[in-house]
Amino acid sequence: QSVLTQAPSASATPGQRVTISCSGSSSNIGSNSVTWYQQLPGTAPKLLIYSSNLRPSGVPDRFSGSKSGTAASLAISGLQSEDEAVYYCAAWDDTLNIVFGGGTKLTVL
Amino acid sequence: EVQLVQSGGGLVQPGGSLRLSCAASGFTFNTYWMSWVRQPPGKGLEWVANIKQDGSEQYFLDSVKGRFTLSRDNARNSFYLQVNSLRVEDTAVYYCARGRGPTYFHWGQGSLVTVSS
Repeated sequence: QSVLTQAPSASATPGQRVTISCSGSSSNIGSNSVTWYQQLPGTAPKLLIYSSNLRPSGVPDRFSGSKSGTAASLAISGLQSEDEAVYYCAAWDDTLNIVFGGGTKLTVL
Repeated sequence: EVQLVQSGGGLVQPGGSLRLSCAASGFTFNTYWMSWVRQPPGKGLEWVANIKQDGSEQYFLDSVKGRFTLSRDNARNSFYLQVNSLRVEDTAVYYCARGRGPTYFHWGQGSLVTVSS
């Protein structure tokens, strides 16, 4: 069982906006920033969002992150078929070092 | 271009050992923390360990403490994860990553460690 909680699956149609949530506690998300990764099958994770809402160079602005209290969200607008992947949140935990969410598998219908 | 190229991994019996290697290029290796993250088959990501630039600080996931060790050779731009007393539940793809975490801009390609009799 992961320290950060994510819904196991989400789905949406092309062009829609989808939000993936990540719930934590005061020792992780509540006091530290959140990172989001995208993982395609058989590949290493790819950094999408860091410091809760910053995008690395090359990540489309369709991807955005936010954080409020002990929860964080990743929003994907203008959904495309290539966005079908598993998305993970991660954060520093004051007691446990680095923790990940269990992942949300996004299906583009 | 930043590259992390992994080697090692394979099939090992319970109680056995392996050494995973990660060779870095394209950046000043001795200025970065380095980390290992693993992913059991069909499951999510799990942080395993990280090591400071000079090796003076190392941190481990509780379940691997005392069994896994970290080292780095800054002259060779490489770092290593020695995995001992392996358990079936250690079966995973192990990734090396640049940084202390949880933000990793660069990852290795992954090395599969299978623990089975």
